Amino acid sequence: TQLLEQSPQFLSIQEGENLTVYCNSSSVFSSLQWYRQEPGEGPVLLVTVVTGGEVKKLKRLTFQFGDARKDSSLHITAAQPGDTGLYLCAGLFQGAQKLVFGQGTRLTINP
Amino acid sequence: DAGVIQSPRHEVTEMGQEVTLRCKPISGHNSLFWYRQTMMRGLELLIYFNNNVPIDDSGMPEDRFSAKMPNASFSTLKIQPSEPRDSAVYFCASSSTEDTGYTFGSGTRLTVV
Repeated sequence: TQLLEQSPQFLSIQEGENLTVYCNSSSVFSSLQWYRQEPGEGPVLLVTVVTGGEVKKLKRLTFQFGDARKDSSLHITAAQPGDTGLYLCAGLFQGAQKLVFGQGTRLTINP
Repeated sequence: DAGVIQSPRHEVTEMGQEVTLRCKPISGHNSLFWYRQTMMRGLELLIYFNNNVPIDDSGMPEDRFSAKMPNASFSTLKIQPSEPRDSAVYFCASSSTEDTGYTFGSGTRLTVV
């Protein structure tokens, strides 16, 4: 079974602080996606990374794909209360047709 | 586009009753996925369809669960008979060949009492 592990599971920080969450696997991804889910809604796609070492930026969010395409990180600069939510990584493993989701990091930004 | 549309948003039913969840994917998307989300197990893929054909149903918990996609614009997930342990949020998502990103619906919160 191909597994995706996310850490930390829970993170609560003050507005203005920086944070990094991680997504790891022992298998190689052909691509990896990050989603954010707010209460009562479905996950919303933030970014897709495909190339090892790739870095993508979305305003204050920076996504990095590991060189070996087995891990990824999401860094948020100057977190704001609107960043609160469940952050999910999802990997498309080589040769597979379906996304596998991690358990998520539940992020709370306190004003 | 209105996005992926699921109905109902909430469903409360008694154990043993049949439950049918509905999904309308985004027009032009050729893949449709049914997920179940719980606090304990996270997002679990139940089944997915490509071009209305079921491809992988290995995530369907047991024979009480069934899914159909009679055409490109409609899918159902049925639970018969329902049990309290089926209580969860059920999501439908769709995607296209050109873009691997999934678009999720708002989900159906199912409570079986």
